[in-house]
Amino acid sequence: QVQLQESGPGLVKPSETLSLTCTVSGFSISSGYYWGWIRQPPGKGLEWIGSIYHSGSTYYNPSLKSRVTISVDTSKNQFSLKLSSVTAADTAVYYCARVDGDFDYYRYMDVWGKGTTVTVSS
Amino acid sequence: EIVLTQSPATLSLSPGERATLSCRASQNIGSYLAWYQQQPGQAPRLLIYDASNRATGIPARFSGSGSETDFTLTISSLEPEDFALYYCQQRSNGPPTYTFGQGTKLEIK
Repeated sequence: QVQLQESGPGLVKPSETLSLTCTVSGFSISSGYYWGWIRQPPGKGLEWIGSIYHSGSTYYNPSLKSRVTISVDTSKNQFSLKLSSVTAADTAVYYCARVDGDFDYYRYMDVWGKGTTVTVSS
Repeated sequence: EIVLTQSPATLSLSPGERATLSCRASQNIGSYLAWYQQQPGQAPRLLIYDASNRATGIPARFSGSGSETDFTLTISSLEPEDFALYYCQQRSNGPPTYTFGQGTKLEIK
């Protein structure tokens, strides 16, 4: 059974860098799939942040691209998110998820972590 | 960028009734649309992928239909646990980027 678990600081100061890690269990990241980050500001909808393939190929939301870096550590079966220059608008629940599909067309998120709340405040 | 518009924003129904939720895409996306359910305080759960395929463990009362720009999620007979938020989501052609609809809240009447 595949499980994902987010971890990282729950409080980040404005202008600093938000760093989160997603640990995957029950499945080896090296075996395939894309792995993504999605966030949800309080009382609002879902926003895709970016995704990474096990080989390291990355794709980012154009609206966040200048501030986002996603990386993978296959030895630890983890992938990570860094979001720089954060403001209060980056306060949200951050989810990691596996992106599934076939024929190399990964198109829906079939397994999600429980999410972690990150607040940006001084 | 493809925009997904969900309607209605809020749907008020009673247990046992039939629910019909809509998702409209600003461009033709074929059949590559997914639906998710989100309970308060929980992560989203995949219900439907590729417009009409139920995900593993999803009850048969949930069904999806549609193609190109117009999609529907139907819950045939509402159970108490079905009252939640529902989101549709698509993946763009070319480099994989993803967008979600703004959500429909299904509430008890």
